[in-house]
Amino acid sequence: GDSVTQMEGPVTLSEEAFLTINCTYTATGYPSLFWYVQYPGEGLQLLLKATKADDKGSNKGFEATYRKETTSFHLEKGSVQVSDSAVYFCALTLDNYGQNFVFGPGTRLSVLP
Amino acid sequence: DTAVSQTPKYLVTQMGNDKSIKCEQNLGHDTMYWYKQDSKKFLKIMFSYNNKELIINETVPNRFSPKSPDKAHLNLHINSLELGDSAVYFCASSQDPRLAGGPVYNEQFFGPGTRLTVL
Repeated sequence: GDSVTQMEGPVTLSEEAFLTINCTYTATGYPSLFWYVQYPGEGLQLLLKATKADDKGSNKGFEATYRKETTSFHLEKGSVQVSDSAVYFCALTLDNYGQNFVFGPGTRLSVLP
Repeated sequence: DTAVSQTPKYLVTQMGNDKSIKCEQNLGHDTMYWYKQDSKKFLKIMFSYNNKELIINETVPNRFSPKSPDKAHLNLHINSLELGDSAVYFCASSQDPRLAGGPVYNEQFFGPGTRLTVL
C-alpha cells in the first residue's frame, strides 16, 4: 500500500545550522505531497505542499521539492531557529478530494541556542 | 481562539470501559476527521464526516463510533476499550474537499491530540 518513510529522530541542531529531514514515499499513483509541523502542545499545521514533479513548496524559510524520480520530498531550511523545535510530518494523498492522507511517523527536531 | 479543540487532553481508563473524546472546531468547516497515532507514531485516518455524513471508515472496529451533534462537533465514542486502543487521537477539520478544488486546497486543521491510555 501507499506509505511514507521519514528519517528517524530526534534531530538535534544548533541555532543557525542547516536542516534536512528526509522523506520518501511509495504510492500506486501520482500523489500530492505535504509537510505538517506540530509545535509542543499544539495540533498539526500545514507547513508546505506540492502537487506535481519538480514543484517546490516553501513557507517560513522551509523548502521541499517534489522529486518523482527519487520519490522524495526532503524538507530543508538554511538556518534553523530555536522556535523551529517541533515534530515534522511528511504526508501524501492520492485521493482527488484530499481526504485520505497517509502520514509518516514524524521527526522530532530540537534546536539548541 | 483555538481553531480545533479536543477534550480531554489525557485519558486513562480500564479495559472494558466506554469513553468519549470530544472535538470542536470554530472555523466554519464542513468536514471533520479523526486520526489515530499509534506507538510507532504513524497517523492513520479513522473517520471523515461531512455535514453529518460518514465519508470514510478505514476498517476501524465498530467499537469506535463517531457522533456529530452538529457541524462544529465530531465526538469519538469508544466501547469496550482494549489495550490496543492506547494511542494519541487527533481531530481535524477542513473545508468540504469536494468543493475546495482538490488536495492542494484542502488544508486540514488539527487539534492538539488526546492521549488515551488503557490499563
